[in-house]
Amino acid sequence: SQQGEEDPQALSIQEGENATMNCSYKTSINNLQWYRQNSGRGLVHLILIRSNEREKHSGRLRVTLDTSKKSSSLLITASRAADTASYFCATLSNDYKLSFGAGTTVTVRA
Amino acid sequence: DAGITQSPRYKITETGRQVTLMCHQTWSHSYMFWYRQDLGHGLRLIYYSAAADITDKGEVSDGYVVSRSKTENFPLTLESATRSQTSVYFCASSDNLLRGNTEAFFGQGTRLTVV
Repeated sequence: SQQGEEDPQALSIQEGENATMNCSYKTSINNLQWYRQNSGRGLVHLILIRSNEREKHSGRLRVTLDTSKKSSSLLITASRAADTASYFCATLSNDYKLSFGAGTTVTVRA
Repeated sequence: DAGITQSPRYKITETGRQVTLMCHQTWSHSYMFWYRQDLGHGLRLIYYSAAADITDKGEVSDGYVVSRSKTENFPLTLESATRSQTSVYFCASSDNLLRGNTEAFFGQGTRLTVV
């Protein structure tokens, strides 16, 4: 089974609303990263949080990490139509294995 | 051009044939990865490599072989293609991975169909 599991699998929101998605993982990590994938394209890195950090911000993105619960969340504030995409969390283990979850598909309605 | 490129972008092959997917990066990144992406499974790690001549199996390595004789190239070979290997394959590279502050860069993917 995969290291990361995202929740929900799909999310539909109105433009301007916030989108929150969660990621749970199984083994200890060096860092956790979030990526975006637009339909049919390669993945693009959004934000990285190290295992000793609890929260990080980048523009409209806010990521949290709780290593005791082995979980992370990604918040996208004031969503736009261009945020429509699939979002993946990825965990980096200490033996440099970068593993992804199944992703959350976000649809932002105009 | 600088970056990470995969070739071919699209490939149709027959069951039982050997097929090689190419991945080339121009940054001299130490780390490289191969993933397959199937509906409902997200990205699953096939193989990864920390440097030339160092490779490790991921979670779905059966039926695949990799090599890394040069830092910039990381070809993935399907020894005897099966229909279950029909998928989109992504290659990625990264550097200074364990310093905890670097990301992975992805190629555009290879869509492989096994008939």
